[in-house]
Amino acid sequence: AQKITQTQPGMFVQEKEAVTLDCTYDTSDQSYGLFWYKQPSSGEMIFLIYQGSYDEQNATEGRYSLNFQKARKSANLVISASQLGDSAMYFCAMREGKENTGNQFYFGTGTSLTVIP
Amino acid sequence: NAGVTQTPKFQVLKTGQSMTLQCAQDMNHEYMSWYRQDPGMGLRLIHYSVGAGITDQGEVPNGYNVSRSTTEDFPLRLLSAAPSQTSVYFCASSYSSTRGDNQPQHFGDGTRLSIL
Repeated sequence: AQKITQTQPGMFVQEKEAVTLDCTYDTSDQSYGLFWYKQPSSGEMIFLIYQGSYDEQNATEGRYSLNFQKARKSANLVISASQLGDSAMYFCAMREGKENTGNQFYFGTGTSLTVIP
Repeated sequence: NAGVTQTPKFQVLKTGQSMTLQCAQDMNHEYMSWYRQDPGMGLRLIHYSVGAGITDQGEVPNGYNVSRSTTEDFPLRLLSAAPSQTSVYFCASSYSSTRGDNQPQHFGDGTRLSIL
């Protein structure tokens, strides 16, 4: 089974609108971390936001927020007031907390976001 | 402010050749890893290390070797290059989870590798 599932290969959003990128995860661990990364066309991986499994409040970082629904095992990224520079690939990732595995990170297949002027 | 440094940025190899992709970090991170990124498949973990002298296999380890003799360096060796290994390779590092689950991975800029 996939550890991280991103079901939206491509998304379009009008500039200044909000957009939600979906992410579901699969783990039996009680302690884990969820991350979102942005990969612009230049190729680098940029860390955006983190949510811990024990965090009761949704994480926010500027225009990015993470809609964390633990029971549903979902960790959707919300980008508010989209800008042209937000056009990129977005990856959801999970870090499991198993002691003996060195905390592997698992990545989804990504969502390509295009912001339309 | 180097972070994670990968060399080379681009490489073309012939089938059967061997080579080493270099990765170095200056953040004293315990955890280092190698990924390959192929279209439509996200990032797949090749090998990882939780500290000097300790390595383990990830999801797609076949055809690759790693070693971790120092905290800073984590080279990836292709033993006998095959066209199926044409990909973009990323090295990443982070603090271990003993410092908290919130430690993100820091990525290098990637190596674009083509095997002819």
